[in-house]
Amino acid sequence: DAKTTQPTSMDCAEGRAANLPCNHSTISGNEYVYWYRQIHSQGPQYIIHGLKNNETNEMASLIITEDRKSSTLILPHATLRDTAVYYCIVLIQGAQKLVFGQGTRLTINP
Amino acid sequence: EAGVVQSPRYKIIEKKQPVAFWCNPISGHNTLYWYLQNLGQGPELLIRYENEEAVDDSQLPKDRFSAERLKGVDSTLKIQPAELGDSAVYLCASSIRQAGNTGELFFGEGSRLTVL
Repeated sequence: DAKTTQPTSMDCAEGRAANLPCNHSTISGNEYVYWYRQIHSQGPQYIIHGLKNNETNEMASLIITEDRKSSTLILPHATLRDTAVYYCIVLIQGAQKLVFGQGTRLTINP
Repeated sequence: EAGVVQSPRYKIIEKKQPVAFWCNPISGHNTLYWYLQNLGQGPELLIRYENEEAVDDSQLPKDRFSAERLKGVDSTLKIQPAELGDSAVYLCASSIRQAGNTGELFFGEGSRLTVL
């Protein structure tokens, strides 16, 4: 599976959009981009995934660049409860083995 | 619908003692995972089951760790004997194979082990 690179930490003001970048320059054509988050003392939680088109659900939006070498997770109106570690993972189609990196620790400030 | 249930949530033992963790996946989920998470790190896969078959146990330290999923539903992860370095959170997850979204796993809250 392709390796991902994320900033170690980020801050965002409550109510603003949180934009979390992820670099996956070695991604191959059949690998999806998945995002999970892990709130303190809880297990990871699935957020969203995509292949090459932008995706949106009730939690977030995922923007994938045209060359698919990077992506951005967008939390449109961040709240204090969005404070968590966010993991960007690339996963080959059909596979079920998630490989987590160290993620980005996002802190939402009041 | 109940999520993935793990017990115990916390366990403190002395080194060389045995310990066991239990996981009940979401009903109907045929795939079950055990992950290990050290402090400040992302989770690492220990073992993956498809029904009752362990299909990926390459990262499971088999000298002291064992796991079972006898009826293809709930699972137990055992450590015997525990070492100081085993202090970590043990996460269980489950999933159901769906076209286009095989990476959506549902995690339990984890079992935090402290070995003294």
